[in-house]
Amino acid sequence: AIQLTQSPSSLSASVGDRVTITCRASQGISSALAWYQQKPGKAPKLLIYDASSLESGVPSRFSGSGSGTDFTLTISSLQPEDFATYYCQQFNNYSFGPGTKVDIK
Amino acid sequence: QVQLVESGGGVVQPGRSLKVSCAASGFTFSSYGMHWVRQAPGKGLECVAVISYDGSNKYYADSVKGRFTISRDNSKDTLYLQMDSLRAEDTAVYYCARRVALAGTGLDVWGQGTTVTVSS
Repeated sequence: AIQLTQSPSSLSASVGDRVTITCRASQGISSALAWYQQKPGKAPKLLIYDASSLESGVPSRFSGSGSGTDFTLTISSLQPEDFATYYCQQFNNYSFGPGTKVDIK
Repeated sequence: QVQLVESGGGVVQPGRSLKVSCAASGFTFSSYGMHWVRQAPGKGLECVAVISYDGSNKYYADSVKGRFTISRDNSKDTLYLQMDSLRAEDTAVYYCARRVALAGTGLDVWGQGTTVTVSS
């Protein structure tokens, strides 16, 4: 089964910072990857699908890139509402990465 | 508006069964693949079951294979998850989610979740 790893597992950042989160698949998955944001007590929210397509209504400061085994989620200028946990998910066997918690520095 | 609403969660003893439901509204339910995703307390996300738009294809995580059954009734716009032989480790919030149209790789609509607690 394909497994996903995420790095870092957590990070501290300031408003306005550029933040990059990496997701690595144990086997190639083409572009079959999504990114989600989750806040405590809430359902996940789709940010990026098909590795690089921005979901409707999601701010343009979020972007996704990559294909094969290495993927990146970038937040170009961190906003107060972006402090949350971020997960990647691959669509070969639907597993999620372990998550990256972004908190305030 | 587009909405998914789960129901049927609760407290159940180990070894017993429970069926949770997900009612869809605001979109053509029969055109979308659907997922059940769970989250144990303080843990990450796990996809437990997937069903195609017409119910002809199903996927189960190894952790639930042979114990859980996903199904759908497109005439009632409702998704189901039948959970048998429940274990303590099945305790989680269970979310239903819609797959992005045209088999896109993402889950774009989520329910609010229903909590299942397996405890004696």
